[in-house]
Amino acid sequence: GNSVTQMEGPVTLSEEAFLTINCTYTATGYPSLFWYVQYPGEGLQLLLKATKADDKGSNKGFEATYRKETTSFHLEKGSVQVSDSAVYFCALRGGTSYGKLTFGQGTILTVHP
Amino acid sequence: GAVVSQHPSWVICKSGTSVKIECRSLDFQATTMFWYRQFPKQSLMLMATSNEGSKATYEQGVEKDKFLINHASLTLSTLTVTSAHPEDSSFYICSAIRTGVLGLWTGELFFGEGSRLTVL
Repeated sequence: GNSVTQMEGPVTLSEEAFLTINCTYTATGYPSLFWYVQYPGEGLQLLLKATKADDKGSNKGFEATYRKETTSFHLEKGSVQVSDSAVYFCALRGGTSYGKLTFGQGTILTVHP
Repeated sequence: GAVVSQHPSWVICKSGTSVKIECRSLDFQATTMFWYRQFPKQSLMLMATSNEGSKATYEQGVEKDKFLINHASLTLSTLTVTSAHPEDSSFYICSAIRTGVLGLWTGELFFGEGSRLTVL
């Protein structure tokens, strides 16, 4: 079956530091890959996505590249802000899953001024 | 943008009682919704797929008589935890698919803010 493994948190950074949150997956076929973010008291929001190998998803300064050879989809941001403090979830959707997602365990990010 | 709302956001109940959690799509019709459960420091686990006007499809290992799902309208799905016990304490999250013309999925998926259940 499908599975997603994220680096364990929590991750604590100072403002303007570089962020990497690792995500690797196991899936059959050609899944789509996602990063979701959950701010305190809010629902999960789609941050970025990639639907095929070598695609790069990007949004709000965050980037992630779909690497089929390493089955990875690591999230990066060059300079984090306090407002980026949230929980980040890596997820995949199999080709025939029609909206069903398999999630990683989530990584708590805290950014200090 | 599209919003999915859950209610209540947190609930505390006594063991043996039943608790209902609502998931509403506020500005779009959602023929399909999903219910997830999240344990502390663990990923969201899909419990079931809720389809408007038909029975929910449960994932393997999820007790359908324990977690009753009703999707009676295009904007509302409910999850009822029956005869709740402390091991049912968890964070429950719903998501909804946004469909467009002819009921086809637009590719958009929206999540509720979650409901935290604590069973004493």
